[in-house]
Amino acid sequence: DAGVTQSPTHLIKTRGQQVTLRCSPKSGHDTVSWYQQALGQGPQFIFQYYEEEERQRGNFPDRFSGHQFPNYSSELNVNALLLGDSALYLCASSKAGRTDTQYFGPGTRLTVL
Amino acid sequence: QKEVEQNSGPLSVPEGAIASLNCTYSDRGSQSFFWYRQYSGKSPELIMSIYSNGDKEDGRFTAQLNKASQYVSLLIRDSQPSDSATYLCAVTPNFNKFYFGSGTKLNVKP
Repeated sequence: DAGVTQSPTHLIKTRGQQVTLRCSPKSGHDTVSWYQQALGQGPQFIFQYYEEEERQRGNFPDRFSGHQFPNYSSELNVNALLLGDSALYLCASSKAGRTDTQYFGPGTRLTVL
Repeated sequence: QKEVEQNSGPLSVPEGAIASLNCTYSDRGSQSFFWYRQYSGKSPELIMSIYSNGDKEDGRFTAQLNKASQYVSLLIRDSQPSDSATYLCAVTPNFNKFYFGSGTKLNVKP
């Protein structure tokens, strides 16, 4: 049973660039949430996708956008990168009706120079 | 004010002792409460969830919830060096949006 997978593992970008991160949920899961975890901090909720729609959003600017595909995989896009966007980006998947139980992927480490 | 507050630690306990981790939250509308463990360089993993006031036990772990005081705690009995990690408290008002604390780092000394 494949768990949550994310790609790429690491990414280095420069300020002003755009980045796309990808997530495949655990088998049988249809809900995907994205989090940003800065060094020494807890995960901060970015948004949650279900049925290809953004269901809930955290306090992040519009530079952060996402998408969910019919196969439940998801992308996180960040435009106009800032130095402060450097963080570990985590994807978590869950099953509708049981979104209390989230499984996290290994994350993508983004460094903005 | 942050939605979830935790003491950053580190909390150091000897092997075999009880580790007590605490968390407070600000939103009285929070419905559900979770403890995640995060090893260094790894992603968080869910270890306990609690939804009603009182205690919930699972093996060596006991979660305690007091909604009136807006307080959640996690007790780890017979602490092992393998329990050394950062423990994250999370709350949600609706199961769609989760608020995490900054975590408490636990060191269990052999």
